[in-house]
Amino acid sequence: DVKVTQSSRYLVKRTGEKVFLECVQDMDHENMFWYRQDPGLGLRLIYFSYDVKMKEKGDIPEGYSVSREKKERFSLILESASTNQTSMYLCASSFPGTAQETQYFGPGTRLLVL
Amino acid sequence: AQKVTQAQTEISVVEKEDVTLDCVYETRDTTYYLFWYKQPPSGELVFLIRRNSFDEQNEISGRYSWNFQKSTSSFNFTITASQVVDSAVYFCALGSSNTGKLIFGQGTTLQVKP
Repeated sequence: DVKVTQSSRYLVKRTGEKVFLECVQDMDHENMFWYRQDPGLGLRLIYFSYDVKMKEKGDIPEGYSVSREKKERFSLILESASTNQTSMYLCASSFPGTAQETQYFGPGTRLLVL
Repeated sequence: AQKVTQAQTEISVVEKEDVTLDCVYETRDTTYYLFWYKQPPSGELVFLIRRNSFDEQNEISGRYSWNFQKSTSSFNFTITASQVVDSAVYFCALGSSNTGKLIFGQGTTLQVKP
């Protein structure tokens, strides 16, 4: 079974704090993705990575950065958290290839920025 | 532009009723992929099905069935004899062969009452 884990299920942070969300997958997938989920908007892609040390902007990268130092780990960084970044964050991974490769998701992190 | 529309925001049914979740997509790609995911209250997106644009055969898996019609750009999902455990948010997604990214619909919240 594919296993994607995220470091926290719930996080509460203050405005201006630096926030790290970590994602680890155990299936040797090359591709990893970060999405945020908001009511009425579905899932929106923040960043993705096709390989170690490689990253590509998604549809809403502003205010975020990522790091992929190891194949199994993909971190999402909020340099200075703001209240509009309160959301559900979902990590996913897949084998290489184009969109026919199914993405497998972690349990999500609910982030509240006060 | 690529887009996925799930017009039904919320659906409520009584157990054992059949229910259909609608999904309409827009794309100019000739090769593309369609997905359905289930998100139970625990938060993790669970993969249900993947379809490519060249395969219009309908699929049945237990109580679940999917109807793919290219002529109407629709990929609808039917649950037969619904159960309380089917209560979840369901997402339809479109995968682009060009970009390798998934575009998600807004999601449909299904509530199955006992």
